[in-house]
Amino acid sequence: DTGVSQDPRHKITKRGQNVTFRCDPISEHNRLYWYRQTLGQGPEFLTYFQNEAQLEKSRLLSNRFSAERPKGSFSTLEIQRTEQGDSAMYLCASSVVPSGANVLTFGAGSRLTVL
Amino acid sequence: QKEVEQDPGPLSVPEGAIVSLNCTYSNSAFQYFMWYRQYSRKGPELLMYTYSSGNKEDGRFTAQVDKSSKYISLFIRDSQPSDSATYLCAMSAVAAGNKLTFGGGTRVLVKP
Repeated sequence: DTGVSQDPRHKITKRGQNVTFRCDPISEHNRLYWYRQTLGQGPEFLTYFQNEAQLEKSRLLSNRFSAERPKGSFSTLEIQRTEQGDSAMYLCASSVVPSGANVLTFGAGSRLTVL
Repeated sequence: QKEVEQDPGPLSVPEGAIVSLNCTYSNSAFQYFMWYRQYSRKGPELLMYTYSSGNKEDGRFTAQVDKSSKYISLFIRDSQPSDSATYLCAMSAVAAGNKLTFGGGTRVLVKP
């Protein structure tokens, strides 16, 4: 297992376009998280799944954002009608359901630049 | 005000010095306290975590948690240039689904 994979690593788009990011978690991990990180800031929680169920969404996740994890394996994060304020690093992380500490393993991120 | 506060730095130290990092938080429900390291254009990687108050040591790294003061620290002994990175504290509460809430990160530069 090579860890958490994210694709694409960098996406440049024009304002108003739709973009989709994909995350492949560690295979035995049943939890999957999406975070957003802007320059000089820490990651901010967006949403998470346990298997295919989306259990929580942050109020940061406007209705232009949608995330899916259809078969409980990979996940996609789609941003519709992108705005310049959406420019950020989108981080995916996975974990097993924690009995103690929730140890998240992060991918390298997908960097979005909206022109 | 953010739930977790962290001085952004940068913190510049000479090689071999002790690096001292800290975070304060406001949510008394936090139970697990973690430190992640993030290199430029990479995802965060877990360094260590502690549960509730107390100290934990792992090699050159020592984490301390003082729940009564809502204050956590990370010390790096014998710092190396390869320790130059952004250090993120993160916290979670079981009652909140155990999702991590991060501080803003402190950028550390260890000069040879």
